[in-house]
Amino acid sequence: GAGVSQTPSNKVTEKGKYVELRCDPISGHTALYWYRQSLGQGPEFLIYFQGTGAADDSGLPNDRFFAVRPEGSVSTLKIQRTERGDSAVYLCASSLYGATYTSPLHFGNGTRLTVT
Amino acid sequence: GESVGLHLPTLSVQEGDNSIINCAYSNSASDYFIWYKQESGKGPQFIIDIRSNMDKRQGQRVTVLLNKTVKHLSLQIAATQPGDSAVYFCAEGGSQGNLIFGKGTKLSVKP
Repeated sequence: GAGVSQTPSNKVTEKGKYVELRCDPISGHTALYWYRQSLGQGPEFLIYFQGTGAADDSGLPNDRFFAVRPEGSVSTLKIQRTERGDSAVYLCASSLYGATYTSPLHFGNGTRLTVT
Repeated sequence: GESVGLHLPTLSVQEGDNSIINCAYSNSASDYFIWYKQESGKGPQFIIDIRSNMDKRQGQRVTVLLNKTVKHLSLQIAATQPGDSAVYFCAEGGSQGNLIFGKGTKLSVKP
């Protein structure tokens, strides 16, 4: 079956611009996660959705970052007024159960964001 | 606070040898641990997981060992192959079902 799909795979934007990153989770997975990965580092948690609601957004670095999942499936990560420090690979993952029963997260291949 | 780390950033092994990748964690209350493999340009790929009520779990060519006394986790890969070359991450389960990752170990397999 299809895995987690993320688009675009690469995004180059100028400092100060607005970007949207899209994630299509595995069908039937109720939980969706966004992570950010800098070069040479492990993925860093940003936000977690259970269904349509953000159950935990404690990892979002500041209010320039926002994510939605309006129908409980596709999610969009939005970054306003991008800064060069936002450059990283943004990973999306989904899991079958989420916090109700810890289960493996299945990751997409990420969106590589470069802010010039 | 919660943290997950790795003892070695790089590991080089000969093809056919066994590999052991180590990981230390600090949260004694963690009850779920997982290993991922990440190849260049790809997302982390699930390898194997283990819950705290177990101390060993085996998969195909891989074994995860959990030592709760010293808060240590290891991944053993039998008969390492060139295709095993990648960065390996351990992670522990957070309170919201998310995962907390360490920095990773790069495994290089010499033919």
